[in-house]
Amino acid sequence: GAGVSQSPSNKVTEKGKDVELRCDPISGHTALYWYRQSLGQGLEFLIYFQGNSAPDKSGLPSDRFSAERTGGSVSTLTIQRTQQEDSAVYLCASSLEQRGYTFGSGTRLTVV
Amino acid sequence: ILNVEQSPQSLHVQEGDSTNFTCSFPSSNFYALHWYRWETAKSPEALFVMTLNGDEKKKGRISATLNTKEGYSYLYIKGSQPEDSATYLCAFINTGTASKLTFGTGTRLQVTL
Repeated sequence: GAGVSQSPSNKVTEKGKDVELRCDPISGHTALYWYRQSLGQGLEFLIYFQGNSAPDKSGLPSDRFSAERTGGSVSTLTIQRTQQEDSAVYLCASSLEQRGYTFGSGTRLTVV
Repeated sequence: ILNVEQSPQSLHVQEGDSTNFTCSFPSSNFYALHWYRWETAKSPEALFVMTLNGDEKKKGRISATLNTKEGYSYLYIKGSQPEDSATYLCAFINTGTASKLTFGTGTRLQVTL
């Protein structure tokens, strides 16, 4: 597609429920990243996929967080047993080689 | 832990003023520095990707400089306009982190008439 697409744009969920966030990167971009911005914080790295290499999961805050990227394209970030501290804007980005990232418009997650 | 700091945290200027912000990053193992503009309710937009010490880049009224030896980059906006109001983020890649960007917390700019 023309840009990075994320869905849903907003999600309100009850504490303890699981959520799935979707990212559809720009076609042909080999790298895909997930970041999040909690209230008053900077952009925090979560996970990075590059081609067929093993993902860099070093930013995932707990084992309740997981992500996959199917067929080198669409990625899903899953948060199990959501907690209130998971409330944030979750941003996905894709890039080609060492150029700037193209970000999606984000998913605003609110855990109540 | 890579520390990327931006200052000031926020800035309020009048239309027509010129302004600048600072991004500080570790000077060792430098690979690249990115600048992004993030407007409310929109996606962060890439402004510049800078890789060489002494690099200067320009896009319209916005320009940036890079000093990798001392670990800082400046972003300049000449003749600020209300549409420049946004959060300006810098992000750093070092040679040990592949393409993974470490972001600063941003400078929030508000331009009023």
